[in-house]
Amino acid sequence: AQKVTQAQTEISVVEKEDVTLDCVYETRDTTYYLFWYKQPPSGELVFLIRRNSFDEQNEISGRYSWNFQKSTSSFNFTITASQVVDSAVYFCALGGTNAGKSTFGDGTTLTVKP
Amino acid sequence: EAGVVQSPRYKIIEKKQPVAFWCNPISGHNTLYWYRQNLGQGPELLIRYENEEAVDDSQLPKDRFSAERLKGVDSTLKIQPAELGDSAVYLCASSRGGRNYNEQFFGPGTRLTVL
Repeated sequence: AQKVTQAQTEISVVEKEDVTLDCVYETRDTTYYLFWYKQPPSGELVFLIRRNSFDEQNEISGRYSWNFQKSTSSFNFTITASQVVDSAVYFCALGGTNAGKSTFGDGTTLTVKP
Repeated sequence: EAGVVQSPRYKIIEKKQPVAFWCNPISGHNTLYWYRQNLGQGPELLIRYENEEAVDDSQLPKDRFSAERLKGVDSTLKIQPAELGDSAVYLCASSRGGRNYNEQFFGPGTRLTVL
């Protein structure tokens, strides 16, 4: 069985602070994929990143960066110099060998205050 | 490129009534998903289609839920009869499909309230 845990239910920061959203996963599959999605107040989930289990390189995209550590089954997401527009619910998701089936965590609500 | 279209955006019904949701995926996307998202939780997959074939419906409550994807394009999800616990946001997503676990594009969802 697959499981994704996002232990932080809510995080509140002040604009320009850095913030890290944690994601811990469980799977028996040797090949799997990890995702992060953003769900702004409008409700539409927006894809941010996909990582496969063979690629442990960290990735940076503008103010966003992701730290994948297979040894601790974690795939954490950091926003540098947060902005008010980053306020949203962020979901981590896991996909296994059953191609297309993703298990989502319960999300972390990020509030960035001006 | 147009995104995933869902309608209606909101629906309020009384329990035991039927309800249907419609989804039009992104053109050329073979894979279509229906998710249910309860308040404060992540989306939960109900059914996945590869073209017109339902390839994963293990989480679909088949006693009251049904879905179809005629001609492998648009899809309809139906609940009959609705129960109070069905109140949730129903999300449709699509992807190019295949074995590469492609990115899923989500629609805005239908917020269902059952009174």
